Amino acid sequence: EVQLLESGGGLVQPGGSLRLSCAASGFNFDSYAMTWVRQAHGKGLEWVSSISVGGGSAYYADSVKGRFTVSRDNSKSTLYVQMNSLTTEDTAIYYCAKPYCTGPSCARRDAFDIWGQGTKVTVSA
Amino acid sequence: QSALTQPASVSGSPGQSITISCTGTSSDVGGYNYVSWYQQHPGEAPKLMIYDVTNRPSGVSIRFSGSKSGNTASLTISGLQIEDEADYYCSSYSSSSSLVFGTGTKLSVL
Repeated sequence: EVQLLESGGGLVQPGGSLRLSCAASGFNFDSYAMTWVRQAHGKGLEWVSSISVGGGSAYYADSVKGRFTVSRDNSKSTLYVQMNSLTTEDTAIYYCAKPYCTGPSCARRDAFDIWGQGTKVTVSA
Repeated sequence: QSALTQPASVSGSPGQSITISCTGTSSDVGGYNYVSWYQQHPGEAPKLMIYDVTNRPSGVSIRFSGSKSGNTASLTISGLQIEDEADYYCSSYSSSSSLVFGTGTKLSVL
């Protein structure tokens, strides 16, 4: 079964840092670009960041650029996002997502057919 | 990276058809055929319903269809069912190498 399992969320003070992880299983993780999407309580979806198949290219929303760093360890089938200088605006559920592709590899950074259950990040004093 | 514009809510009766619009610009919706639609029930992760404007992933009902004209994409659900009641989001690839989501639409099946 294809699965994504996020972890690392929690309560952090403004200005603090947190690292989220997303453990993948059931598919060739090292053949797929991966993405983080967040959703504040009662709000819509917001794209956060994407990373290429090999990890050499990373893309960020303007709202997190310079504060968040996405990375991956293909040997561990795990996606990460290091979040620094957190503000209350970063409070949300963070999802990792895998794109939908019919071929053996997938560089696309949209059309996500597999999502994790999400990990909650709360930034509050 | 402004959000794509969707109606806040739409409603329909079982068996009817409804259409949800998603309006962007020539830098996103109008410039690429990379529009996707997601269904999200409360407390759950989103589910991919349409990708590349018109394509359905395997397992998605044929009652769901997508289209695009200019800077506006649309999701049509025919033969509405109670279980279709959910929030729906569009997304589009953007010229700034980013992804932008829509503001979301709450579908009520009355």
